Amino acid sequence: DVKVTQSSRYLVKRTGEKVFLECVQDMDHENMFWYRQDPGLGLRLIYFSYDVKMKEKGDIPEGYSVSREKKERFSLILESASTNQTSMYLCASSPLDRGGLETQYFGPGTRLLVL
Amino acid sequence: AQKITQTQPGMFVQEKEAVTLDCTYDTSDPSYGLFWYKQPSSGEMIFLIYQGSYDQQNATEGRYSLNFQKARKSANLVISASQLGDSAMYFCAMSLNSPDYKLSFGAGTTVTVRA
Repeated sequence: DVKVTQSSRYLVKRTGEKVFLECVQDMDHENMFWYRQDPGLGLRLIYFSYDVKMKEKGDIPEGYSVSREKKERFSLILESASTNQTSMYLCASSPLDRGGLETQYFGPGTRLLVL
Repeated sequence: AQKITQTQPGMFVQEKEAVTLDCTYDTSDPSYGLFWYKQPSSGEMIFLIYQGSYDQQNATEGRYSLNFQKARKSANLVISASQLGDSAMYFCAMSLNSPDYKLSFGAGTTVTVRA
């Protein structure tokens, strides 16, 4: 089974703090993704990566950055957390075989609260 | 841009009965994939079923089946013999066979299974 893990299930941070959300997958997938999920807005893509050290902006990259130094690990960074970044963050991974048609497998999510 | 519409915000179903969740999509691209995910209250997005736009037969996975009507651009999920554990939010999603690997989600349908 595909296993995607995220470093924290719940996180509470203060405005202005630097926040790291870590995601690890064990299936040797090329693609990794970060989404945020908000009530009424659904899931929105923040960033994705299709290879080590490669990254592409999604729909809402502002206020975020990412890092992919190893194939299995994809980090989301909030340089200076703000209250409007309070959300559920979901990481996903997928293989490359069918390009955009491959199934994305999700981690358990991190509920981030910024005070 | 592709769009996914789920018109049913919430549904109740009796245990052991079948339930159909509606999903319509909009794309002019001939090659695309349709996915259904389940999100229980714990937050994890669980992949249920996949249908490719060129697949001749409707996809089935255990108690889940996808009623794919290409001309109508609909991809309804049917859950047969509902169980209490099926109570969750269900999302329809679509991706295109393109380099951006973007998965676009509908707003979701909450299913509550009654004993």
